[in-house]
Amino acid sequence: EADIYQTPRYLVIGTGKKITLECSQTMGHDKMYWYQQDPGMELHLIHYSYGVNSTEKGDLSSESTVSRIRTEHFPLTLESARPSHTSQYLCASSGDSVYAEAFFGQGTRLTVV
Amino acid sequence: AQSVAQPEDQVNVAEGNPLTVKCTYSVSGNPYLFWYVQYPNRGLQFLLKYITGDNLVKGSYGFEAEFNKSQTSFHLKKPSALVSDSALYFCAVRDWDGGYQKVTFGTGTKLQVIP
Repeated sequence: EADIYQTPRYLVIGTGKKITLECSQTMGHDKMYWYQQDPGMELHLIHYSYGVNSTEKGDLSSESTVSRIRTEHFPLTLESARPSHTSQYLCASSGDSVYAEAFFGQGTRLTVV
Repeated sequence: AQSVAQPEDQVNVAEGNPLTVKCTYSVSGNPYLFWYVQYPNRGLQFLLKYITGDNLVKGSYGFEAEFNKSQTSFHLKKPSALVSDSALYFCAVRDWDGGYQKVTFGTGTKLQVIP
């Protein structure tokens, strides 16, 4: 098992609430990523970071925000959750090399009611 | 811009038969190719990768993949499928994009192994 953890695994929350999805890794990786996964399975990159204080938006526009204050921690925040945010969110990290594979957390399945 | 295509949404195979999950790619430079597997309610797990060298790459759980430069393909294979191989499989390519490394995933293929 990879040393990357996501909490919570499952979350049901009401519309308008603020939520933070946690992601931590103990591998010392500089590169971290957040993906949103459709029910139909496709992965969409929504945020990535190449190190502390570095964050970029991904290919899919998202209303969420991220921060990278510590190497091991890459939380994702939704200021005001909406039903359209209902999805599976996957966090990943990788080594610096272009050859390096990614390690994924187990995911957070978010349902906004 | 790099891209990855997995032409089959689903592949069905009988247990004990060989399986193939297809992937084609497009990159401007050298291709660094990966296969990942996702079991229900889990994150993705790395299976194998191609960097350079032998065109046949061996990975976890008895899987292997064949790199074909002329056909720009990187198909995942296994000689004898198990019911426990039923899962989602993702092909990915990693390359440089404007000075940054970028990983692009395919749309995924659902493998169903029938007992």
